[in-house]
Amino acid sequence: DTQMTQSPSTLSASVGDRVTITCRAGQTIGTRLAWYQQKPGKAPKLLIYKASSLESGVPSRFSGSGSGTEFTLTISSLQPDDFATYYCQQYNSYSWTFGQGTKVDIK
Amino acid sequence: EVQLVESGGGLVQPGGPLTLSCAASGFTFTKYWLSWVRQAPGKGLEWVANINLGGTEKNYVDSVKGRFIVSRDNAENSLYLQMNSLRADDTAIYYCARVLPDGFMDYWGQGTLVTVSS
Repeated sequence: DTQMTQSPSTLSASVGDRVTITCRAGQTIGTRLAWYQQKPGKAPKLLIYKASSLESGVPSRFSGSGSGTEFTLTISSLQPDDFATYYCQQYNSYSWTFGQGTKVDIK
Repeated sequence: EVQLVESGGGLVQPGGPLTLSCAASGFTFTKYWLSWVRQAPGKGLEWVANINLGGTEKNYVDSVKGRFIVSRDNAENSLYLQMNSLRADDTAIYYCARVLPDGFMDYWGQGTLVTVSS
C-alpha cells in the first residue's frame, strides 16, 4: 500500500495568512491525489482532486499542486471558516490511503 | 440533491457481527463506485472498502480483509458493510461515500458510530 505523509501535523496561523500543507507519497502516484477539509463532528468535504483541480463551489483561495510523490495544498489568505483539519488521499490503485491529517488552528 | 444516509451503527461486543447500511438518493446509483471510510475517535480518516458498479469488484484495507464484506443492492440504491469478528480497534464513525472516476470521493454521508466494547 502507498503510505501518505502529511506535514506539519498542526499549523497555527492567523486570518489572512498564506498557508501551505505538504503531502508526500511513498511511491509515485502521478496526479492521483485529492484534498479534503473536515470540521469537528462533520463529514469530510472534497476540496481538490487530480492534485490541482478545484471542486465546484470551493473558494479560489484553495489551490493544489504537485505530481509524482510531492504535493501541496495552499490557502492563499486564511479565512475564519478555514480553521479545520485537512487530509490528502491517494487513489493511484484500488487500495486508497489518507495522510494523517493537518490541523489548522488559530494562532 | 445527492444524499447518503448511513444506519446500523451501535454498541457491539468484541467478536460480534454488525451490518451497516447506506441509503443513496439524488443520483444514478448504478453509475458510481461507492466506498466506506472510517474514523476512530480523535483519529484520522481510514479508507475501509470500495465496490464497483455491479458489485463484482471489491477492495479492502488489509486490517479488515476476511472480516468485512462490502456489497450493494442496485435495485434498492443501497450500500452495505457486513462486519464480523469485530475488535475494539474497529470502533469508529463509518462514512459511506460516492466515488468519482479515478477514486476520489465527492459526497459523504453523515456517518454512523460503531462501538466495539464489552
